[in-house]
Amino acid sequence: QSVLTQPPAVSAAPGDKVTISCSGNRFNIGNNHVSWYQQFPGTAPKLLVYDNSERPSGIPDRFSGSKSGTSATLGITGLQTGDEADYYCATWDDSLRAGVFGGGTKLTVL
Amino acid sequence: VYLVESGGALVHPGGSLRLSCEASGFTFSSHWMAWVRQAPGKGLEWVANIKQDGSQTYYVDSVKGRFTISRDNVNYLVYLQMNSLRAEDTAVYYCVRYPLSGSTSFAYWGQGTLVTVSS
Repeated sequence: QSVLTQPPAVSAAPGDKVTISCSGNRFNIGNNHVSWYQQFPGTAPKLLVYDNSERPSGIPDRFSGSKSGTSATLGITGLQTGDEADYYCATWDDSLRAGVFGGGTKLTVL
Repeated sequence: VYLVESGGALVHPGGSLRLSCEASGFTFSSHWMAWVRQAPGKGLEWVANIKQDGSQTYYVDSVKGRFTISRDNVNYLVYLQMNSLRAEDTAVYYCVRYPLSGSTSFAYWGQGTLVTVSS
């Protein structure tokens, strides 16, 4: 069971908007920045969002991140079939003194 | 920036293995480094990290006392020594780099190396 809680799966139609939630506690999300990753089967994860809401260069503004209290959210607008992937949130946990990931969310674009 | 892992193999339960990660394209000694793993069909799991000068290391509870992360700043290498391996350690192990900013995100990942623990 992961320290950070994500929905196992979400789905939406092409062109729609989807949000993926990531829930933690005051020791992890509540006190540290959150990052988000996209992973396609058989490949290494790719950083989409860092420091809660910042995008690395090359990441389209269709991807956005936000944080409130002990939860974080990844938003994806203008969904494309190529966005079908697994998405993970991550942060540091001050109590565990370790990095932590969410369990991952599989996005299906119907 | 390049991170290239090696050392993955099939090993028996109770055995040992050392993974290596060769870094290039950046000033290695300026960055924290870490290992992240992914069991077959499962999610990502942070394993361990190490400070720039090797003076601080942290581990996920499940590997404490069995795994040791270390680094060689002269040769741009980071290692993961894995002892007393268990079936549940079977995973692809990724070498990752922290940014300079102090952020806990991972912008750079290696291609991963597969460790299989089985009799």
